[in-house]
Amino acid sequence: RKEVEQDPGPFNVPEGATVAFNCTYSNSASQSFFWYRQDCRKEPKLLMSVYSSGNEDGRFTAQLNRASQYISLLIRDSKLSDSATYLCVVASPGYSSASKIIFGSGTRLSIRP
Amino acid sequence: DTGVSQNPRHKITKRGQNVTFRCDPISEHNRLYWYRQTLGQGPEFLTYFQNEAQLEKSRLLSDRFSAERPKGSFSTLEIQRTEQGDSAMYLCASSWDRMASYEQYFGPGTRLTVT
Repeated sequence: RKEVEQDPGPFNVPEGATVAFNCTYSNSASQSFFWYRQDCRKEPKLLMSVYSSGNEDGRFTAQLNRASQYISLLIRDSKLSDSATYLCVVASPGYSSASKIIFGSGTRLSIRP
Repeated sequence: DTGVSQNPRHKITKRGQNVTFRCDPISEHNRLYWYRQTLGQGPEFLTYFQNEAQLEKSRLLSDRFSAERPKGSFSTLEIQRTEQGDSAMYLCASSWDRMASYEQYFGPGTRLTVT
């Protein structure tokens, strides 16, 4: 079983729709959680951190469920520019107190006009 | 531009040759990471530095791979005796450990093609 798993998609939704992605992780000691966005042939860019209480940034809402070991990303009123791959990232305690950072394989989102 | 930079952006090499990539992190960041990414996959962790110390290496990092960060600033990743399976995007990221933040900032990557 992969340490971080995501539905690869693709999710193909119309502009204005609400779309949600989930990501599950296997290490219960995981400490920090993030969503990154990656455009085609570009580097990943931090979209938002995920806090225990849940957090919102404009049209984006991230939530963490430690009991079930998953995080989610909700995008409301989707725009054409939201088309990208969304990567789930989990940081767990690593060797020599460094953090072990694991990326999911990503969920592809395509917004159609 | 004060972001993470990587050179070269593209490298085509023949199987068996050695290649070296460079990463310049954001200047105040003391953590530096190397990842490898292939099509349809997320970045896979290779190695990590805190200042000049290499603190963690993935089992993916065979003995043909070596990374250095001699002065705690820029880093190099060398691949010896390249194989076709080494073809991938090599990404560098940096972060700082104040407030125990693991938010990383990525460079544009070096795309390696081994023929």
